Amino acid sequence: SAVISQKPSRDICQRGTSLTIQCQVDSQVTMMFWYRQQPGQSLTLIATANQGSEATYESGFVIDKFPISRPNLTFSTLTVSNLSPEDSSIYLCSVEGGGYTFGSGTRLTVV
Amino acid sequence: DQQVKQNSPSLSVQEGRISILNCDYTNSMFDYFLWYKKYPAEGPTFLISISSIKDKNEDGRFTVFLNKSAKHLSLHIVPSQPGDSAVYFCAASASSGGSNYKLTFGKGTLLTVNP
Repeated sequence: SAVISQKPSRDICQRGTSLTIQCQVDSQVTMMFWYRQQPGQSLTLIATANQGSEATYESGFVIDKFPISRPNLTFSTLTVSNLSPEDSSIYLCSVEGGGYTFGSGTRLTVV
Repeated sequence: DQQVKQNSPSLSVQEGRISILNCDYTNSMFDYFLWYKKYPAEGPTFLISISSIKDKNEDGRFTVFLNKSAKHLSLHIVPSQPGDSAVYFCAASASSGGSNYKLTFGKGTLLTVNP
């Protein structure tokens, strides 16, 4: 299965700023997925990113708040914009293969 | 609406005994189920899966049982080891509807295996 390098592992950000999370995969993958895990909650799919096309967002998530880039088949970024304390969560990227492989996650705290 | 439910937030067992983690689902379109293990500061790691055409799948110490009529699945770990202490997530997907990649997760169960 693929190996994913996700950065940063954690960050503390001020309200109103943005955080960009990166995921690098060691092999080419068609689809990459971004999840959010709010405190005490389950993992929720934010969007699916295909290379060369716009990401597909799940209900409740919009591109203005969670812009995604997918410049090639091994890399993707998720930006969480205009941060508020409610955005404090763990964000994870994932790819197909091996029962879906996940990055190690980014723990975001908004103060 | 929580479509995948893990009603036990935590479970504690003795080393060498069986651990049974339970998961219920409400969406009858789900036909593929997965279990993940998650250690602190790491992403979820795939453990085992089962398709709805089966009622049991085994991989070493891990066995998943699926009861479609009850919309219930369980993960059995035998024998349990201290290294199994982690949060276990149940997840499900539906192969129809064009979104077969989408996983719906439960909230997880924290398993503690005591030496």
